[in-house]
Amino acid sequence: EAQVTQNPRYLITVTGKKLTVTCSQNMNHEYMSWYRQDPGLGLRQIYYSMNVEVTDKGDVPEGYKVSRKEKRNFPLILESPSPNQTSLYFCALFSPLTGYTFGSGTRLTVV
Amino acid sequence: AQSVTQPDIHITVSEGASLELRCNYSYGATPYLFWYVQSPGQGLQLLLKYFSGDTLVQGIKGFEAEFKRSQSSFNLRKPSVHWSDAAEYFCAVDDSNSGYALNFGKGTSLLVTP
Repeated sequence: EAQVTQNPRYLITVTGKKLTVTCSQNMNHEYMSWYRQDPGLGLRQIYYSMNVEVTDKGDVPEGYKVSRKEKRNFPLILESPSPNQTSLYFCALFSPLTGYTFGSGTRLTVV
Repeated sequence: AQSVTQPDIHITVSEGASLELRCNYSYGATPYLFWYVQSPGQGLQLLLKYFSGDTLVQGIKGFEAEFKRSQSSFNLRKPSVHWSDAAEYFCAVDDSNSGYALNFGKGTSLLVTP
């Protein structure tokens, strides 16, 4: 069974202090993606990756970076976080058999 | 613009009553279709999915959904709601049919009364 592990679950940081949210999978699936969830806006895709070293922007990529140096890991990087990036973040993978599996989420607060 | 619409922001049903949550999408082809449930402070749990084949899909927790191509709909149903079903429900559509373009509706919040 595919599993997605995100860390940390909760994070409070200050404006401008670089941070990384890690995401890893226990299988070898190619497609991974990041979403943010905000009240009234639902979930919106930030970035996605179709394979190692293949990434592309989603609907709301501004202020975020990602990397996919190996298939299992897909970290989300905020180089200079701002308060408008306070949100609940989810990493996901896609399996042709089971569809999308999401991590448990990271609640980020930027003060 | 391509979109996923959940017309009902909030729905209240009595415990034991039937439930139908609506979902419409505006993509041209037959996309991959999903329903997820999210309890407060929790992550997203997959209820059911449709890739192809039988248009009536059975999921977990007694939920089912029917894909109607002519109406571009994928409505979620449950014959008898339990208090533990109170949660936020999201319809999601992958129009890439490939695994990298999942678009969500804004969600329907379900309240279950005694």
